[in-house]
Amino acid sequence: AQSVSQHNHHVILSEAASLELGCNYSYGGTVNLFWYVQYPGQHRQLLLKYFSGDPLVKGIKGFEAEFIKSKFSFNLRKPSVQWSDTAEYFCAVKDYGQNFVFGPGTRLSVLP
Amino acid sequence: ETGVTQSPTHLIKTRGQQVTLRCSSQSGHNTVSWYQQALGQGPQFIFQYYREEENGRGNFPPRFSGLQFPNYSSELNVNALELDDSALYLCASSSGGASSEAFFGQGTRLTVV
Repeated sequence: AQSVSQHNHHVILSEAASLELGCNYSYGGTVNLFWYVQYPGQHRQLLLKYFSGDPLVKGIKGFEAEFIKSKFSFNLRKPSVQWSDTAEYFCAVKDYGQNFVFGPGTRLSVLP
Repeated sequence: ETGVTQSPTHLIKTRGQQVTLRCSSQSGHNTVSWYQQALGQGPQFIFQYYREEENGRGNFPPRFSGLQFPNYSSELNVNALELDDSALYLCASSSGGASSEAFFGQGTRLTVV
């Protein structure tokens, strides 16, 4: 069965620091990869997704993620975080059955 | 907002009771998935419905059942509630297809006492 792991449960950064959130998945075949974000009090929403082509994917709000097939990874990055990036971030893989498998989530706290 | 609405937002039930959670999917979406998110964990896939048929199921017992209606709204039913069923239940709709994203509702927080 598919599984998704996220490296950190809780990350605390100061504004303007760089961010990298790790995500690894277990499936060896063709995958579709997603990062979702949930801001406090809001629905979770899509940040970015990868399904083919350029492995460096750019999303909303200055986020990007790199798909490295050999490492089964899809890490999320942002060069300079803002206080408004405080949220919970979920990595997800869409498997052959088109069902999402989510990681446990990483809570990001950005200090002003 | 995503256009996916869930009701109720919060619910308290007693062990052994039954519960029905509801989800209205985004317009044009024919696929609905349900997830259980326990505290401190990521969402766990319960099942998916596509055009009123169950189209995939996670590792949940049969007392978790569902329905999808012709308008693509959906229900999640849980019988014989257990304390461990306390969680946030999320509904997500999509248009299907391998690369389509899921649009989530705000969730229903179920507490079993």
